[in-house]
Amino acid sequence: NAGVTQTPKFQVLKTGQSMTLQCAQDMNHEYMSWYRQDPGMGLRLIHYSVGAGITDQGEVPNGYNVSRSTTEDFPLRLLSAAPSQTSVYFCASSYSTRINTGELFFGEGSRLTVL
Amino acid sequence: GQQLNQSPQSMFIQEGEDVSMNCTSSSIFNTWLWYKQDPGEGPVLLIALYKAGELTSNGRLTAQFGITRKDSFLNISASIPSDVGIYFCAGQLYGGSQGNLIFGKGTKLSVKP
Repeated sequence: NAGVTQTPKFQVLKTGQSMTLQCAQDMNHEYMSWYRQDPGMGLRLIHYSVGAGITDQGEVPNGYNVSRSTTEDFPLRLLSAAPSQTSVYFCASSYSTRINTGELFFGEGSRLTVL
Repeated sequence: GQQLNQSPQSMFIQEGEDVSMNCTSSSIFNTWLWYKQDPGEGPVLLIALYKAGELTSNGRLTAQFGITRKDSFLNISASIPSDVGIYFCAGQLYGGSQGNLIFGKGTKLSVKP
C-alpha cells in the first residue's frame, strides 16, 4: 500500500521556468490538498480538491495551478517559478464525504529550490 | 488569515521527562488535531479531537480539546529519544471553509538521552 506518492523528491529550477509536482494516492480518498512548508511558518494550504473536477484555493494560491481529472492524481503546477517559491511542498489526502475530517495522510514531500 | 498560536517553539528535555505543549486561538474550532513530523518526512497524525472537552490518549500521548473550543494541549509522558521531531497542532474553524485545515507553526522537541 503506497499511500500518498510525490514526485520528484528534489528539484532545482531557474527563475521563470515551469514545472509540475506530481501527487498520487491509492486510498480512494476524495479530498486532496497541497501545502508548502517554510521555516518558522508551519504548513500553509495552497490548493485543495474535494473530488474529481472540483478544486479551490487555499491560503497561498498565487503562482500555482491545480487540476483534478481523476480521484487518484492531483498535480501542482508552477507556471513561472520565482525564488519565493523555494520551499518544501507536501501533498495530503483524506477520506471525505460531506465533511473533511482533517485526518490527513501526507506524502514525503518535494523539496524545490528556485535560483 | 486565521492563526493558531503554538507554544513553546522548541523544547530541550531529558529522556524520561514529561512534555506539554499547547495551541490557542481567538477563534472557535470544530476539530483539533495533532501531527508529528520526523526529519525529512511528511507529518503523521497522532490524535484527532472532535468534541469540546474531549480527552484522548494514544500510548504515551494525551491530548485535550479545550472547553472553550479555542485551545488544545498535547502531553507526552516519559519521553524517549524517538519522540524527537516537530509537533504541529491543526484545527478546522467553526464555520470555516470545508477544505481549510489551519496549522500551528510547530514545536520542535529535542530529547537528550
